[in-house]
Amino acid sequence: NAGVTQTPKFRILKIGQSMTLQCAQDMNHNYMYWYRQDPGMGLKLIYYSVGAGITDKGEVPNGYNVSRSTTEYFPLRLELAAPSQTSVYFCAHGAGEPPEAFFGQGTRLTVV
Amino acid sequence: QQQVKQSPQSLIVQKGGISIINCAYENTAFDYFPWYQQFPGKGPALLIAIRPDVSEKKEGRFTISFNKSAKQFSLHIMDSQPGDSATYFCAAQIRGDDMRFGAGTRLTVKP
Repeated sequence: NAGVTQTPKFRILKIGQSMTLQCAQDMNHNYMYWYRQDPGMGLKLIYYSVGAGITDKGEVPNGYNVSRSTTEYFPLRLELAAPSQTSVYFCAHGAGEPPEAFFGQGTRLTVV
Repeated sequence: QQQVKQSPQSLIVQKGGISIINCAYENTAFDYFPWYQQFPGKGPALLIAIRPDVSEKKEGRFTISFNKSAKQFSLHIMDSQPGDSATYFCAAQIRGDDMRFGAGTRLTVKP
C-alpha cells in the first residue's frame, strides 16, 4: 500500500452532505498531498502539506479543507458535497529532495 | 489551464515496438520532471524522473529525453511489452512540493 492507507475505498454522498476522507502514512514523511482524478483530466492537486501544522492550497481547493495536526494524518474534509466533487481522490506522501510521491489506492466518491 | 500538456491521449503499440509520450510545460520554475505509471484501480507509482540540467536519463527500457529550451520532455519505452499497458502521467514540480500532472496517456501494447 506504499505506506499510506486511505479510507473509505468507496462512498456515495447526497448533495449537501459532508464527509472526511482519511489518509494515514506510516513512513514519517513530511510531505503529504491530496489529488483528485477525473477521467481524461489527469490528477489535480487539491491541498498539500510540507509538515505538521503547515498546509497550502493546490490547483483546485474550493469546496475542500484539510488539517495536518500530526505527521501521520492528513484528512480531507468536504463540507457541502456537490456533484462536481464526484471523483477518485488520492492521498500521497513523500520524502527526499525533491520528494518522490507514494500514492494510496484511492477513494471513489460519488455525489448524487 | 493545464500547466503540463501531454500527448497523445491514447497510444496503441505492437509488442516489441517503441512507445513515445510527449509533454510540454510553460512555467520555467519547474525543477523536477517525474513520470508516473498507473494500473486500473491503483494509485500512480513513480517510474522515472529527471532534472532540467540533464538532457536524457535511462532506466532499463525507459528513457526520458528533456529539451529545456523547448520546454518539452518525453518518455520512450523500448521493446514495449503487454505488461506495460497502463496509463502514464508526466508531471512537473516546483521546489519539491507543488506537483502538477499532465492529463495522461493510455498505452495499450498488443501481443
